Amino acid sequence: GAVVSQHPSWVICKSGTSVKIECRSLDFQATTMFWYRQFPKQSLMLMATSNEGSKATYEQGVEKDKFLINHASLTLSTLTVTSAHPEDSSFYICSARDPGSSTEAFFGQGTRLTVV
Amino acid sequence: QKEVEQNSGPLSVPEGAIASLNCTYSDRGSQSFFWYRQYSGKSPELIMFIYSNGDKEDGRFTAQLNKASQYVSLLIRDSQPSDSATYLCAVGGSSNTGKLIFGQGTTLQVKP
Repeated sequence: GAVVSQHPSWVICKSGTSVKIECRSLDFQATTMFWYRQFPKQSLMLMATSNEGSKATYEQGVEKDKFLINHASLTLSTLTVTSAHPEDSSFYICSARDPGSSTEAFFGQGTRLTVV
Repeated sequence: QKEVEQNSGPLSVPEGAIASLNCTYSDRGSQSFFWYRQYSGKSPELIMFIYSNGDKEDGRFTAQLNKASQYVSLLIRDSQPSDSATYLCAVGGSSNTGKLIFGQGTTLQVKP
């Protein structure tokens, strides 16, 4: 089946620094990818829709200047958390839908971000 | 009102019993419905998807959809301790882009 790879699996950074998370579709081209965030014991909350070759669409309440999304190719989307703070510590998960599939979007393995 | 609602649980069932997980959604235009299982610290994994009213069975799992009632459920027969996890209900919109709205998840505990 389709595979979505996310990197890194975990990262620890200092407050004020920026962190980039990559999401790759390995065996299909994804014009659209999705970024979710999950706080402990909570569900996945959609942050933004990443569109290849155009601007991302952010959900209400998500700061687009803080969470920079770039979808420069059909197989790669990146999420950069800028000027990270401890409250940004969370589990970030990307997903992508295989246009050739009639079923679900496939999820990356997630990135555990800890800001200290 | 939340778009997708689940009882957070925990739902505790003995090994071998049937576990019943429920989900309601608010958008009548929703076209696709998914159940994911998530273990602690891991990404969700797809259990089942359903598009049409009625039942869909896959092994020990049965998904049930009632669009008129805006209700979708997951039954797990012969529950095993390894089924202990958080089960997430997710709903896709009418455009089939892959965008999903998740419920808060139900924690299932299967006791040996």
